[in-house]
Amino acid sequence: QPVLTQPPSESGTPGQTVTISCSGSTSNIGNNNIYWYQQFPGRAPKLLIYKNDLRPSGVPDRFSGSKSGTSGSLVISGLRSEDEADYYCAAWDDSLTGLFGGGTKLTVL
Amino acid sequence: EAQLVESGGDRVQPGGSLRLSCAVSGFTSTNYWMHWVRQAPGKGLVWVSRINKDGTTTNYADSVKGRFTIYRDNAKNTLYLQMNSLRVEDTGIYFCTKAIARNDMDVWGQGTTVIVSS
Repeated sequence: QPVLTQPPSESGTPGQTVTISCSGSTSNIGNNNIYWYQQFPGRAPKLLIYKNDLRPSGVPDRFSGSKSGTSGSLVISGLRSEDEADYYCAAWDDSLTGLFGGGTKLTVL
Repeated sequence: EAQLVESGGDRVQPGGSLRLSCAVSGFTSTNYWMHWVRQAPGKGLVWVSRINKDGTTTNYADSVKGRFTIYRDNAKNTLYLQMNSLRVEDTGIYFCTKAIARNDMDVWGQGTTVIVSS
């Protein structure tokens, strides 16, 4: 069963840069695009990054994404208190299923 | 503005059935792939199913394959998820989503809650 692995939690202080990692395998991240979503408690998720490193309109350029091999990263620079949320990576798998990582809870100290 | 509104969530006994609906507005649904994603209470996101623009191609998570059916009525701008043989582990919020291309879910509904319990 393919999986995407994220750290359960990350933290940072305002102004810092935080990186959230996502590890997969050849059949998912290796061969397909990675996506990143932000979710606040009680709210629907929001697309932050698509096709590895593209930002939808309206997403601040403090959020950036990258992919290398079978892993991807979400980088949040100039951390703000309002960035405190859950972050999920996602990718399609060659077995014709969609995958989400387990989610990373970001705390702004 | 693109908007998705889910409905049909309810409390049902194990083995029961439900049909979820997702009403589309603000865009032409025939131009986009669409997905269902669920989230158990206090847990992470889980992909459930997707359907292509004209409804001829569907994919399912292994956990729901053979029990759930995704389909769409483009004339009514509505996406559906027929859920049969429901299990306790199917409990959660079900989100309907629209994809930019195929898998990049850029518009999400507010979700509808399914509770499977005896």
